[in-house]
Amino acid sequence: EAGVAQSPRYKIIEKRQSVAFWCNPISGHATLYWYQQILGQGPKLLIQFQNNGVVDDSQLPKDRFSAERLKGVDSTLKIQPAKLEDSAVYLCASSPKGSNSAYNEQFFGPGTRLTVL
Amino acid sequence: AQSVTQLDSHVSVSEGTPVLLRCNYSSSYSPSLFWYVQHPNKGLQLLLKYTSAATLVKGINGFEAEFKKSETSFHLTKPSAHMSDAAEYFCVVSEVGQGGKLIFGQGTELSVKP
Repeated sequence: EAGVAQSPRYKIIEKRQSVAFWCNPISGHATLYWYQQILGQGPKLLIQFQNNGVVDDSQLPKDRFSAERLKGVDSTLKIQPAKLEDSAVYLCASSPKGSNSAYNEQFFGPGTRLTVL
Repeated sequence: AQSVTQLDSHVSVSEGTPVLLRCNYSSSYSPSLFWYVQHPNKGLQLLLKYTSAATLVKGINGFEAEFKKSETSFHLTKPSAHMSDAAEYFCVVSEVGQGGKLIFGQGTELSVKP
C-alpha cells in the first residue's frame, strides 16, 4: 500500500514570497491533516479536512495560510506571503476513519522542509 | 484542555541497556494515547497505541508502554536498546469527540551509544 506522498521535499524561499505544498493521502482515507513542525518541537495541527470539508482550522494563520482539498483527495497548503518564522517542516497525514472516531490512527508523509530567508 | 508533557528532552543509553522515555498527559475524558517515532528525514511512524483496552501495550521493534491512570502517565520502555533505535520519540494524546485531533509532546531525542 502506497503511503502519504508530499512534494516538494525541500523548499527555500525569501520572506514575502509565496509557496505551495502538495499532499496525496493514502487511497480511500477520508480525513487529511496538515501539521507544522518547528525545529525542536512536536507537530502542531494547522488544519483538518474530512473529505473536502474543513473540520478544524482554528490553528491556521488565515491571514497568510490557506489550504484546500478539492474533490476530497489531494490537498494543497499555501503560504502567502511567507515570514521568517514559517521556517518549519510541514507534515501531511491521513486517516481512514471519520473525524468523530474514538481512535484515529494517522499515517504521516515525509514532510516538506521549508526555509524562509 | 488536553496536553502532553515529555519529561526528558534528551535521553542517552548504551546499546543493550534498557530504554525509558517518560510521558505524562492531561485529559478531561478517556484519552487515546500514542507513541510515534521520527527518524531523521523520515515521516512519523506509529510505535504503539492505547485505546482503553489492555493497560500494557506492545508495539513494534520491542517497545511497550503502560497506561497508568492514577499517575496520568504513559511511559515508553524497551528492555534492550539497539543502535537503530536512535531517533526522536513523541508522546501523543487524542480525545474522543475532538475530531481525532492529536496533541503532540515536545519530543524526546534518544541517543544510543555503542
